[in-house]
Amino acid sequence: NAGVMQNPRHLVRRRGQEARLRCSPVKGHSHVYWYRQLPEEGLKFMVYLQKENIIDESGMPKERFSAEFPKEGPSILRIQQVVRGDSAAYFCASSPQPGQGFYSNQPQHFGDGTRLSIL
Amino acid sequence: AQKVTQAQTEISVVEKEDVTLDCVYETRDTTYYLFWYKQPPSGELVFLIRRNSFDEQNEISGRYSWNFQKSTSSFNFTITASQVVDSAVYFCALSGANTGGFKTIFGAGTRLFVKA
Repeated sequence: NAGVMQNPRHLVRRRGQEARLRCSPVKGHSHVYWYRQLPEEGLKFMVYLQKENIIDESGMPKERFSAEFPKEGPSILRIQQVVRGDSAAYFCASSPQPGQGFYSNQPQHFGDGTRLSIL
Repeated sequence: AQKVTQAQTEISVVEKEDVTLDCVYETRDTTYYLFWYKQPPSGELVFLIRRNSFDEQNEISGRYSWNFQKSTSSFNFTITASQVVDSAVYFCALSGANTGGFKTIFGAGTRLFVKA
């Protein structure tokens, strides 16, 4: 009964490189959410996806960031041409239905996060 | 607008002391959920509790207890007889129907140090 799996756990990139963060939701969950935690701050919502669809990307920077959740495989958060300010922990959450339990009794399940460091 | 305020940035206590972490929230929704998460030094998020807006009963789970008061928009968290293993950052969070029920708004967190 695996929970949300994120990999890698730690990722180091040099400025200008691309970072790809992967999130495998709980089996049977079709809703995925990405959050970013800057150092010494709380988590901030970035994007909400269902299978093959982006539902809400209002928290995601307009440039360099993209997210997908294909029919098969994990959800991917991609950051192109990374800069120092992208250094953060990126958390993924999943749920069987939207939200934190409004339509089900299950809260979002969070992965352990990917710590991205930009040199 | 939805907002969660954790006014205490850091708290330091000695083991076995009781400690209360404050959380004040703002929402115009009548239906919403409140949460507490623990983030230990290893960095993962540990779910502690979810409370819906229609259930104002206080809850106790071992050394943890939560006091939800809609009248003051507060959802405070008390650790009784604190232990060193309680040292972590604690986040209060809110998810309201107004946001479509899928965004969770987190407070900035309270860092708790429990000294032996």
